[in-house]
Amino acid sequence: EVQLLESGGGLVQPGGSLRLSCEASGFTFSNYAMYWVRQAPGKGLEWVSVITGSGDSTYYADSVKGRFTISRDNSKNTLYMQMNSLRAEDTAVYYCASRSGTIKPLDSWGQGTLVTVSS
Amino acid sequence: DIQMTQSPSTLSSSVGDRVTITCRASQSISNWLAWYQKKPGKAPKLLIYKASTLESGVPSRFSGSGSGTEFTLTISSLQPDDFATYYCQQYHSYPFTFGPGTKVDI
Repeated sequence: EVQLLESGGGLVQPGGSLRLSCEASGFTFSNYAMYWVRQAPGKGLEWVSVITGSGDSTYYADSVKGRFTISRDNSKNTLYMQMNSLRAEDTAVYYCASRSGTIKPLDSWGQGTLVTVSS
Repeated sequence: DIQMTQSPSTLSSSVGDRVTITCRASQSISNWLAWYQKKPGKAPKLLIYKASTLESGVPSRFSGSGSGTEFTLTISSLQPDDFATYYCQQYHSYPFTFGPGTKVDI
């Protein structure tokens, strides 16, 4: 059974930094692309970023490009998101998600970690 | 980027109702379209992928159709557990954009 467990959320001041982690189990982590999706309070889902299984390719939403960096450590089955220059509008629950193949979309999700950017 | 729209934004329904939600893409995405159910405090749940393929374990009252730029999600007989927000998502090309959501409430 695929399990994804996010951690690292919390309260941070505007302009600050935070690193999220997502520990994966139940599948061959290095074989699959991994994603971050967020949901701001009272808002819809927003796709944030993706990293390939090998980690050699990444893609970001325009809203976080240049501020967020996705990475992974396949030896630790862990996905990361380094978030810098945080803004109030980055306040959201951040979900990591996996995709079990090219036919399916994001089919396994963690429970999310809340990031609050406020002074 | 591909833009996704959904209608309606809110749907007031009753148990047993047939419910249809529409999703439109700003350009053709073939059938690379997914539907998710989202409840407060819970992770999104995949319902349908490739526009019409039911995810394993999802009740058969859920169905999807469409291709190109127009898609629909239908719930044939609404159950109490179905009151939630539903999102479409294109996975034709990055960024994998979501629609704004349709809230199905009583």
